[in-house]
Amino acid sequence: SQELEQSPQSLIVQEGKNLTINCTSSKTLYGLYWYKQKYGEGLIFLMMLQKGGEEKSHEKITAKLDEKKQQSSLHITASQPSHAGIYLCGADYSGGSNYKLTFGKGTLLTVNP
Amino acid sequence: DAGVTQSPTHLIKTRGQQVTLRCSPKSGHDTVSWYQQALGQGPQFIFQYYEEEERQRGNFPDRFSGHQFPNYSSELNVNALLLGDSALYLCASSWGTALGYTFGSGTRLTVV
Repeated sequence: SQELEQSPQSLIVQEGKNLTINCTSSKTLYGLYWYKQKYGEGLIFLMMLQKGGEEKSHEKITAKLDEKKQQSSLHITASQPSHAGIYLCGADYSGGSNYKLTFGKGTLLTVNP
Repeated sequence: DAGVTQSPTHLIKTRGQQVTLRCSPKSGHDTVSWYQQALGQGPQFIFQYYEEEERQRGNFPDRFSGHQFPNYSSELNVNALLLGDSALYLCASSWGTALGYTFGSGTRLTVV
């Protein structure tokens, strides 16, 4: 089974609507990273969360880390077509000593104008 | 400020051939990591290079090898290509042990 599960797998929303993407880990998280990817392209770093209860915002995107549930959520307010893409969460399971991130499969977001 | 540069952007190889992919890290970064992303999947860690040595390796066979040069640029080599090696290969750079990578746009490898 997957160590890091993302839900939903895909999401279609109307422009202006709010949405939430979840990332749940089966192991203890030391850090959780959110990236955005345009189809077939590289990943763009969005946010990093390291402490339980931590919440960060950038423009209309807010990410939270729930230490108890080992889960992170990414919330987009008043979505725009520019928000469309694949959102990936990446987990640090070692506090940095393994030098790698373990990624989920991604959530494909479509925003209809 | 140039980000991470990867070359080539696309290539097609025949089963059994060998391929070399190249990566120049972001200015100021000294660590290069390589990831393989199959269609519809998240990126999977191949290995990381720091100070010209492989510091960590993921669950990939020895057919996958790499190198880091004194200027921090890196190469990924794959020998005896299999159809299953078809994927987007992503190079990510960082400073030291930081995991907030800067990713390149990737090299799309198709093995036929």
